[in-house]
Amino acid sequence: GENVEQHPSTLSVQEGDSAVIKCTYSDSASNYFPWYKQELGKGPQLIIDIRSNVGEKKDQRIAVTLNKTAKHFSLHITETQPEDSAVYFCAATDQTGANNLFFGTGTRLTVIP
Amino acid sequence: EAGVTQFPSHSVIEKGQTVTLRCDPISGHDNLYWYRRVMGKEIKFLLHFVKESKQDESGMPNNRFLAERTGGTYSTLKVQPAELEDSGVYFCASSQVRGGYGYTFGSGTRLTVV
Repeated sequence: GENVEQHPSTLSVQEGDSAVIKCTYSDSASNYFPWYKQELGKGPQLIIDIRSNVGEKKDQRIAVTLNKTAKHFSLHITETQPEDSAVYFCAATDQTGANNLFFGTGTRLTVIP
Repeated sequence: EAGVTQFPSHSVIEKGQTVTLRCDPISGHDNLYWYRRVMGKEIKFLLHFVKESKQDESGMPNNRFLAERTGGTYSTLKVQPAELEDSGVYFCASSQVRGGYGYTFGSGTRLTVV
C-alpha cells in the first residue's frame, strides 16, 4: 500500500509569515493528493487538492505543489492568520488497492498573533 | 445538507469491555470509510463500504473489530473485547465517488480504553 511521510510534526510561525508543510509518498502511480485541515473538536476538512497532471494549484492564501519525479508535494500558506492554527494532514491515493486515501502523520500549525 | 454524524463523541471503557461506534453518512453517499488515529500517528485506513458491502477491509487490525453497514445506510464499528492499544480517535467519512475524492469526515469518536 501507499506510505505517506509528513514533516514537520509541529510548526510555529508569526502571524503574517508563511508556513510550508512537506510530504512524500511511495506509490509512483498515485494520482490524487488532497490536504485536510483539522480544527479542535472537528473532523478533517478538505482545503485543497491536486492531481498528478498538475504541478501547482493555488486558492487564495494556500497553494500546493507536486513533484512527481521526486514523489513529494507541499502545502504553502501565505500571510498566516491565527485561524490557520490547526492540524494539517496530507494524503495520497493508493493505486494498488481500492484507491483509498492514505494519510500522513499530521502537522500541528500554530500561528502566533 | 447534513454532514457525517458520529456518536458517541467520547467513550471511556475498561479493557475487556465492548464498545460500538456509529456513523451516519451523508444521505446518498454509497461509499463509507472508517479510519483511526492513534495519538501522534497517521490517520490510518480501516475499511471501506460500498453500500452494504465491504469493499476493502485490509486495514482492520484484528478480529476483535467488526464493522457492519446494514441496508447500506449507517454503519457500526464494534470492538470486542477492547484492548488498551485500541485507544484513539475513530473517524468515519463518506463520499459519492471512489478514488479518494470528496471525502466528508465526521467529528470522530475518541475512544479511551483503561
